[in-house]
Amino acid sequence: VQLQESGPGLVKPSGTLSLTCAVSGGSISSRNWWSWVRQPPGKGLEWIGEMYHSGSTNYNPSLKSRVIMSVDKSKNQFSLTLSSVTAADTAVYYCARRDSGLDYWGQGTLVTVSS
Amino acid sequence: QSALTQPASVSGSPGQSITISCTGTSSDVGSYNLVSWYQQHPGKAPKLMIYEVSKRPSGVSNRFSGSKSGNTASLTISGLQAEDEADYHCCSYAGSGTYVFGSGTKVTVL
Repeated sequence: VQLQESGPGLVKPSGTLSLTCAVSGGSISSRNWWSWVRQPPGKGLEWIGEMYHSGSTNYNPSLKSRVIMSVDKSKNQFSLTLSSVTAADTAVYYCARRDSGLDYWGQGTLVTVSS
Repeated sequence: QSALTQPASVSGSPGQSITISCTGTSSDVGSYNLVSWYQQHPGKAPKLMIYEVSKRPSGVSNRFSGSKSGNTASLTISGLQAEDEADYHCCSYAGSGTYVFGSGTKVTVL
């Protein structure tokens, strides 16, 4: 299984961050949850949320009001949307598959929030 | 939902054993046997090392072991090697479908 994040590397403050994670070597409709994790520069990991192919989602309570996750089964990919971004949202964003733990990860993509 | 507490750094000499702690609360670590550990080398994605407190994925060295007591989980690395120098992150289920990571620990091999 391989995961690959894609999306803009620069987002303006108050704007919306949108990322996509393409899954290859496996089906997004498998019995796994699909997750997003981020890491601000020089800091630890933060769990953003996860979704199932049925559309069920779980979000970090601290981000819940700004996060939307969705799945596109036809393209075997899932997406993250984070609204009203500030500089504090600058981070490397990873997508990952959760089986027993987060066992497959994308390489990560740096998103910078700046005008 | 606060981050789990890990020591900022732990160091050891080659061949020694080190233990990294991960302290949470009765709402996360203390309530579920769903603690996982991740190794992260600089500029790389995290790698799953331990899941469900003490289980090792296929391919992970048996020098890595996990345990839990109360609200604190631990990762022990025995026979420390130069390649073990990395950041280590714990993660726990926190109820209601949510997860929380630890603050991260930098392991240095002296």
